Amino acid sequence: GEDVEQSLFLSVREGDSSVINCTYTDSSSTYLYWYKQEPGAGLQLLTYIFSNMDMKQDQRLTVLLNKKDKHLSLRIADTQTGDSAIYFCAEGNAGNNRKLIWGLGTSLAVNP
Amino acid sequence: NAGVTQTPKFRVLKTGQSMTLLCAQDMNHEYMYWYRQDPGMGLRLIHYSVGEGTTAKGEVPDGYNVSRLKKQNFLLGLESAAPSQTSVYFCASSYAYEQYFGPGTRLTVT
Repeated sequence: GEDVEQSLFLSVREGDSSVINCTYTDSSSTYLYWYKQEPGAGLQLLTYIFSNMDMKQDQRLTVLLNKKDKHLSLRIADTQTGDSAIYFCAEGNAGNNRKLIWGLGTSLAVNP
Repeated sequence: NAGVTQTPKFRVLKTGQSMTLLCAQDMNHEYMYWYRQDPGMGLRLIHYSVGEGTTAKGEVPDGYNVSRLKKQNFLLGLESAAPSQTSVYFCASSYAYEQYFGPGTRLTVT
């Protein structure tokens, strides 16, 4: 079946940039998402990118999509301690009843 | 506009007891989903609904039942709780592809 993979942990220093990577297998992906989960909370949609785009920027967030390699990344500029959370990558396609395929999440630790 | 709400926030059950988790959304979304989240397992889809009166199985449906009698509500039932159902349960809804999540219900089965 289709799969989404992420590295499980990332540690950065406050003020540095963070890059969280994700690979997926579904070549018919339509949308790719990044969600953020803070401790004890639900998942919050951070940003998304259509499969016909290469890049999307939204304030401190930059999403890069390499469709040929099925690789998605999320860059957080000037990472703050408030960015410490788990980040989930997810992909969806038109033929899947709006179901998303989820990665296991990357736990980002921001050190002062 | 409350978004997606879940009731209750916490619950402790004894093995064999039953309970219903309620999910409500006020965004008029057609699609609703129930997930469970366990350490190291990510999010796993239990059941989902593509509209009022419909339900379908996800990847881990055993031991759970659902109902979608009203468009805004999606109920998740455990008929006979087992310790393996100790988890955090999330409900989500969507109109297009992006899903909007509730705050979760933390369930412990002893």
